[in-house]
Parts: sequence; C-alpha cells; structure tokens
Amino acid sequence: AQSVTQPDIHITVSEGASLELRCNYSYGATPYLFWYVQSPGQGLQLLLKYFSGDTLVQGIKGFEAEFKRSQSSFNLRKPSVHWSDAAEYFCAVGAPLGQNFVFGPGTRLSVLP
Amino acid sequence: GAGVSQSPSNKVTEKGKDVELRCDPISGHTALYWYRQSLGQGLEFLIYFQGNSAPDKSGLPSDRFSAERTGGSVSTLTIQRTQQEDSAVYLCASSPGTSGLNEQFFGPGTRLTVL
Repeated sequence: AQSVTQPDIHITVSEGASLELRCNYSYGATPYLFWYVQSPGQGLQLLLKYFSGDTLVQGIKGFEAEFKRSQSSFNLRKPSVHWSDAAEYFCAVGAPLGQNFVFGPGTRLSVLP
Repeated sequence: GAGVSQSPSNKVTEKGKDVELRCDPISGHTALYWYRQSLGQGLEFLIYFQGNSAPDKSGLPSDRFSAERTGGSVSTLTIQRTQQEDSAVYLCASSPGTSGLNEQFFGPGTRLTVL
C-alpha cells in the first residue's frame, strides 16, 4: 500500500521569499502524485499532478513540483510567495487501480507581510 | 453549479443521535470518495464507490459508519449513535473513474459537531 509523509507540519515564510514544501512517498511502482491546496474556508483544489514524462511539472498559481524517483520525493516549490498562498498543502499519491487516494498529513503555510 | 455539493454544510447533533450526510457528485463521475478531516489533521480516507458498489470499506472507523450510493449519483454517509470523537469535517470527492490518474474534485464539506 502507498503512503505519504510531509515532514513539515508548519512553515512560515516572508512574502516574496521562495518556498519548498517537502513530500515523500512510498509506493512499489511509478506513483501518481498530486498536490492539493486547502485555503481557509475553501475546499481542496488541485495544484498539479505527475503521472509520467517530464519530472518537473507546472501547476496553477505559479507552483511547480519535481518528481525524484531516487529520493521518493515530490517537493512543491514556488519562487516568490504571495500572502494569498497562506493555506494548508496536501501531497497525495494515487494507485493505478484506484483504491483510495492516500493523502499526507498536510503542511500549513503562513506568510509574513 | 457543476461542482460537488454537500449538505448540510454544518450539522450539530447530540451524542447518541444518528446523522446523515449527503454528497452530490459531478454529473457523470463514476467514482465517489468520502474522507474525514479532524481539527488539525490530514484527510482520513473512509470509503469509495465505483458506481453504486463500494469495493473498499476498510477506512470506515467502526460499524456505526455506513454509506450508500444510489443510481450512480448521490451518496449518503450515515453515522449512528454519534460520539464526540466523530466531530470533524466530512469531505466528499468525485472523479471520472477510480484510476489513480484521475483528479478528485472535492466538495466544500460538512462540519459535524457532536455535543
């Protein structure tokens, strides 16, 4: 069964600073990887996803993530954080036959003005 | 709208009462998922449906929890004899299929408070 860890429970960055949120997964084959964002009072929204091919994927809102098989990682990055990026971020892994998505515990991002 | 809807948005109940939470998926989506998100916690998978059948019920916390889906559309999550630890936000998501390739589209959730 697949699993996901997000080592950072809470991260605080200053507006305009760069951001990297870590995600490590465990899965026996090529995983399907996702990043979702949950803004306060909002539902979960997909930021980006990786299935195959280019290991650097671009998403919405200026986010990108890089799949590194050797490190079993799928870290989320943004070069310059905006105050509106303050939210909870979830990494998730899906299996080819569906079953249940497995979500990581989430990383809460705070942005200082 | 065309998104996933859930009702009620908020539910306050007394310990020991039964509650029903409803999810209306996006039209045409064959897969439907229920999750629970407790305060400060991540998403806990509860159950998923492919059509009207639920191949995986392993996430249901106890036999007080049950879910059904009719007509390949609306789903209801029922919690019997609610306990205070059932207080959480219950999220529903739908997807065009259960393949891991498919994005899940989430509803706004139902916030359940058990007094």
